[in-house]
Amino acid sequence: AQSVTQPDIHITVSEGASLELRCNYSYGATPYLFWYVQSPGQGLQLLLKYFSGDTLVQGIKGFEAEFKRSQSSFNLRKPSVHWSDAAEYFCAVGPTSGTYKYIFGTGTRLKVLA
Amino acid sequence: GAGVSQSPSNKVTEKGKDVELRCDPISGHTALYWYRQRLGQGLEFLIYFQGNSAPDKSGLPSDRFSAERTGESVSTLTIQRTQQEDSAVYLCASSPDSYGYTFGSGTRLTVV
Repeated sequence: AQSVTQPDIHITVSEGASLELRCNYSYGATPYLFWYVQSPGQGLQLLLKYFSGDTLVQGIKGFEAEFKRSQSSFNLRKPSVHWSDAAEYFCAVGPTSGTYKYIFGTGTRLKVLA
Repeated sequence: GAGVSQSPSNKVTEKGKDVELRCDPISGHTALYWYRQRLGQGLEFLIYFQGNSAPDKSGLPSDRFSAERTGESVSTLTIQRTQQEDSAVYLCASSPDSYGYTFGSGTRLTVV
């Protein structure tokens, strides 16, 4: 069955430190992969997406993610975190067979220390 | 419109009342999705509309929940006889294909 796992429920980093948020998936073929960010009280905003080609994708706000087929992972990274990055981050994988429907992870809440 | 529009943005209702939530997708987006997000939790899939196909209702938690969509336009999510556990943010998203969703800002529902 298709699934996505975000192993870290909460992560705390200091401002200026590097960040890596983990995402592992289970999928029968090469998936489409996404990272979304949700700031408090807001909807979800697309950070970046992977469909094919270069396995390192760049997104908005200085984020990047690397698709590693051998590890079934799509981890999100940022070299230097800003206080405004405090939010919840969701990984998504899909589409599920014959549909446009995606499966979302349970999210990782990022706290940034000044 | 330019984005996915949801209304109302906030709704407070008494337990036992019915509520109707509205989603206006991006024009031309054939797929529309409803998700529920309880406080501090992830996204819970509710229902998915794709063009004229029968909707995927596999995520609706009970028969108190229903949703409709007319063609490729507006969708309404109705919750009958609301319960306190229905309190959540209800998110709508639309997509033109399989290349990712655009989310609305959500409706925050509080059942008192």
